[in-house]
Amino acid sequence: DIQMTQSPSTLSASVGDRVTITCRASQNINIWLAWYQQKPGKAPKLLIYKASTLQTGVPSRFSGIGSGTEFTLTISSLQPEDLATYHCQQYHNYPRTFGGGTKVDIK
Amino acid sequence: EVQLVESGGVVIQPGGSLRLSCAASGFTFDDYTMYWVRQAPGRGLEWVSLISWDGANTYYADSVKGRFTISRDNRKNSLYLQMSNLRAEDTALYYCAKGAPPGYLDYWGQGTLVTVSS
Repeated sequence: DIQMTQSPSTLSASVGDRVTITCRASQNINIWLAWYQQKPGKAPKLLIYKASTLQTGVPSRFSGIGSGTEFTLTISSLQPEDLATYHCQQYHNYPRTFGGGTKVDIK
Repeated sequence: EVQLVESGGVVIQPGGSLRLSCAASGFTFDDYTMYWVRQAPGRGLEWVSLISWDGANTYYADSVKGRFTISRDNRKNSLYLQMSNLRAEDTALYYCAKGAPPGYLDYWGQGTLVTVSS
């Protein structure tokens, strides 16, 4: 199985800060990576697929980059409503696997 | 508007059986692969199972293989997860999700809670 490792597991940042989350795959997954945002008490929501394609309706302050085994999700200017846990997921192989999540707190 | 509504979650004893359902609307259900994903309390997301648009292909996480069965009824726009020999570690919020080719999840339900406890 492909292991997905996210870092950091938690981070605290101020409104307006640039925030970067990393997701590493245990083997090459090409660009077959998605990012999800999960706000407290809510279901996950798709942010990005194919490593860098923004889902319709997602604010442009979110961006993704990467291929192979290393990927990043960046929030260019953190907003209060971005308080959430962010998950990566590979869909290169079965079983589909998720990273452990990164919780983003607002200072 | 895509809607996915899960039901069937309960408190159940270890070793018991349970069927979860997911009612889908707002899209052509039989065009898409469908998924179950779970989240144990305070934990990350765990992919459980998927079923192809026609039900011909199914995949399972090792943790549930042989105990869970995914199915769908395209006439009823419904997805199911038959769970048996339940264990405490199956305690989780179970989400139904719509797949987008080639394998990410573009819409999620709100989840149904399964608690396995004596």
